[in-house]
Amino acid sequence: SELTQAPSVSVSPGQTASITCSADKLGDKNTCWYQHKPGQSPVLVIYQNSQRPSGIPERFSGSNSGNTATLTISGTQAMDEADYYCQAWDTSTAVFGAGTKVTVL
Amino acid sequence: QVQLVESGGGVVQPGMSLRLSCAASGFSFGSYTMHWVRQAPGKGLEWVAVISYDGSNKDYADSVKGRFTISRDKSKNTLFLQMISLRTEDTALYYCARDPDSYSGSLHYLDYWGQGTLVTVSS
Repeated sequence: SELTQAPSVSVSPGQTASITCSADKLGDKNTCWYQHKPGQSPVLVIYQNSQRPSGIPERFSGSNSGNTATLTISGTQAMDEADYYCQAWDTSTAVFGAGTKVTVL
Repeated sequence: QVQLVESGGGVVQPGMSLRLSCAASGFSFGSYTMHWVRQAPGKGLEWVAVISYDGSNKDYADSVKGRFTISRDKSKNTLFLQMISLRTEDTALYYCARDPDSYSGSLHYLDYWGQGTLVTVSS
């Protein structure tokens, strides 16, 4: 099934950015999130809906309920400007969202 | 530390073949599910294939099924992606990535990624 993400989100430094990922009954699946900056490899920032890997700042948090998973960046910093992708597992295949470009203005 | 280093990319004509490799180090390669993910120029991430820790289970995206084959060599700590009948739409940066979950699990997240190897399919 497809994962739907908004193409872009703009946020002022220090404010909160919310990035959503939607699909039918997505809350029944485990969702994770990746940060991808140009010229670098993707970095896992949230797994199992809300777990933060070691080394990921506390300002990154996640939730998943109903049809929507959300990645929240609290106190957004300039270094958080990147593309963010959600990913879920669906009958032996992985599915990525189309990605959301976060711009820190 | 965990390292994944891809190689084997290059420029090929449509219809030709290519084999990508991913050399793993810093962890017990034979214990992990592994994936290939690609990113076409200007596009998002696209999952390509998965293989279980022992190579007994594999699955593919519909876009590559029947043309790509994922495999692994535990003795060499290396993951492979054999690609045949390449198309222009296969042009992408190909990443290998590690998955801490078992093949039959439901978590499936990619905690380490390589730097990617570029495949260009063009006449």
